[in-house]
Amino acid sequence: DAGVTQSPTHLIKTRGQQVTLRCSPKSGHDTVSWYQQALGQGPQFIFQYYEEEERQRGNFPDRFSGHQFPNYSSELNVNALLLGDSALYLCASSRPVGETQYFGPGTRLLVL
Amino acid sequence: EDKVVQSPLSLVVHEGDTVTLNCSYEVTNFRSLLWYKQEKKAPTFLFMLTSSGIEKKSGRLSSILDKKELFSILNITATQTGDSAVYLCAVEAGGYGNKLVFGAGTILRVKS
Repeated sequence: DAGVTQSPTHLIKTRGQQVTLRCSPKSGHDTVSWYQQALGQGPQFIFQYYEEEERQRGNFPDRFSGHQFPNYSSELNVNALLLGDSALYLCASSRPVGETQYFGPGTRLLVL
Repeated sequence: EDKVVQSPLSLVVHEGDTVTLNCSYEVTNFRSLLWYKQEKKAPTFLFMLTSSGIEKKSGRLSSILDKKELFSILNITATQTGDSAVYLCAVEAGGYGNKLVFGAGTILRVKS
């Protein structure tokens, strides 16, 4: 049973560019959440997708957007990258509510 | 604003020692509290706590929740070098969805 998978593992971009990160949830899960973890900090909630719609959103600007596909996989898009967007981006999947969220290995994004 | 505070921020112990990690929280519509272990990238799930006073155990790890005083502790007995990691506390907060609010983590280093 595959766990949560993410791609790519590492990414280097320059300021102003756009990036797309991908996530496939654990088998049987239909809810995908995205988190940003800066160095030395805990993960910060970006948003959550369920039934192909954004269900909940954290305090992130509109430059951060996402999508969920019918097979429950998800993408995180970040436009107009800033140096401060450099972080580990984690995807977590679960069933809708009250279930443990399981995390993928993350994508390390470096913005130069 | 939802807040989770962990203490200590870091600690160094010797193999065989017992450690207690603390987590206090202030969130609206509390659903559950979770502990994760993060070694390199993906946080791995340890415990989910929903009821006060009921200890959860897994091997040398145990955790308990106090919903009246709004805190939880994670105990690790007979520590081993493999316990070295960042331990993250997260609270599942309310609203439509199950976003996790994380603390900054406790960095544990176990010396042989």
